[in-house]
Amino acid sequence: AQKITQTQPGMFVQEKEAVTLDCTYDTSDPSYGLFWYKQPSSGEMIFLIYQGSYDQQNATEGRYSLNFQKARKSANLVISASQLGDSAMYFCAMREGEDDYKLSFGAGTTVTVRA
Amino acid sequence: SQTIHQWPATLVQPVGSPLSLECTVEGTSNPNLYWYRQAAGRGLQLLFYSVGIGQISSEVPQNLSASRPQDRQFILSSKKLLLSDSGFYLCAWSVLGDSYNSPLHFGNGTRLTVT
Repeated sequence: AQKITQTQPGMFVQEKEAVTLDCTYDTSDPSYGLFWYKQPSSGEMIFLIYQGSYDQQNATEGRYSLNFQKARKSANLVISASQLGDSAMYFCAMREGEDDYKLSFGAGTTVTVRA
Repeated sequence: SQTIHQWPATLVQPVGSPLSLECTVEGTSNPNLYWYRQAAGRGLQLLFYSVGIGQISSEVPQNLSASRPQDRQFILSSKKLLLSDSGFYLCAWSVLGDSYNSPLHFGNGTRLTVT
């Protein structure tokens, strides 16, 4: 079964607007971490933000925030005030407590920011 | 600060030829090391991980092997490349003994084309 599901293959957003990238996950482990990575066209994977399963508050890092809804098993990334440099592929990923060496990735969402 | 180096950046190899991709980490000791592969436009698939010198775990049976001859060196190899080995290969590290709440940090990747 797919552990991470990203249903939006591609999205367009206007510069300075906010965009929400969807991510749902599947695990029976009570301990897990959720991560978002950005992959520009150059290929490197850049770590953006982390949310732990026991965290009570949603994570934020600058213009990135994570909308964590544990009961729905969703961890959506919100990018506020989009910039042209935000155009990239975005991956949601999860590490589970029992198999914590392994980072499982979703298929990714391509974001294109329009001027 | 920790850095991860991966080379070469791009590689074109004929079918049946050998492969050696190298990854080194600086600024940390005893890291966990990982090899991931990314097919075009897809998410990342874990190939191998290592928690110490000479300790290699394989996630997916395939035409590839990995070795860790030194603490901060991780090598991905193949004796005979297949067309299906084409892809983007990423090396990553994380802190030894870390858990589900730690991100993986990635190198810049190697784009391999098997012709």
